[in-house]
Amino acid sequence: GESVGLHLPTLSVQEGDNSIINCAYSNSASDYFIWYKQESGKGPQFIIDIRSNMDKRQGQRVTVLLNKTVKHLSLQIAATQPGDSAVYFCAESSTRAGSYQLTFGKGTKLSVIP
Amino acid sequence: EPEVTQTPSHQVTQMGQEVILRCVPISNHLYFYWYRQILGQKVEFLVSFYNNEISEKSEIFDDQFSVERPDGSNFTLKIRSTKLEDSAMYFCASRTYSNTGELFFGEGSRLTVL
Repeated sequence: GESVGLHLPTLSVQEGDNSIINCAYSNSASDYFIWYKQESGKGPQFIIDIRSNMDKRQGQRVTVLLNKTVKHLSLQIAATQPGDSAVYFCAESSTRAGSYQLTFGKGTKLSVIP
Repeated sequence: EPEVTQTPSHQVTQMGQEVILRCVPISNHLYFYWYRQILGQKVEFLVSFYNNEISEKSEIFDDQFSVERPDGSNFTLKIRSTKLEDSAMYFCASRTYSNTGELFFGEGSRLTVL
């Protein structure tokens, strides 16, 4: 089926280490991908996005990698901090229709150990 | 910083009752969305709204659901006759008319149906 999913439901990392959160998608028509961070009791917060014509995009302490061959997306967080503890969702969209309707994955809970 | 605001933050209702969830999107945004998140699960698309009409809706968004933009600022989601399985966090989101899919989410309205 066409869906977005995550390989690992939980991830624990030491403060200061790098984190890698993975995501697989199956909709070959998807051409736009976003990572969202959701803290407890809050709405999803945009982190970084990437279009299918790119394979890497960097932000502040975050990098998103896209491998279209194997339909895989990853989020790398450098020097992970306690404030990075949250659930991270990948989301995908086919923007050809212009709707930007997002299909979310199940989420990975990142716990940062001080 | 502009933000999407939602009310109420939590509503408890009896099964069969009507519920209206309210959202004030960011003022210069033109696309509006409702998503829901059942506890512990992924965020699911319900409906998108543009130019005073529904542009897309999911199969979750059945005849019991409706959306409205009654004035220039509010965007509402109505559930006519709530069911137990409607218990969830409902998120409103909005975005500008631009070539980006960055959705800005509100903090959510938690609906509990008893």
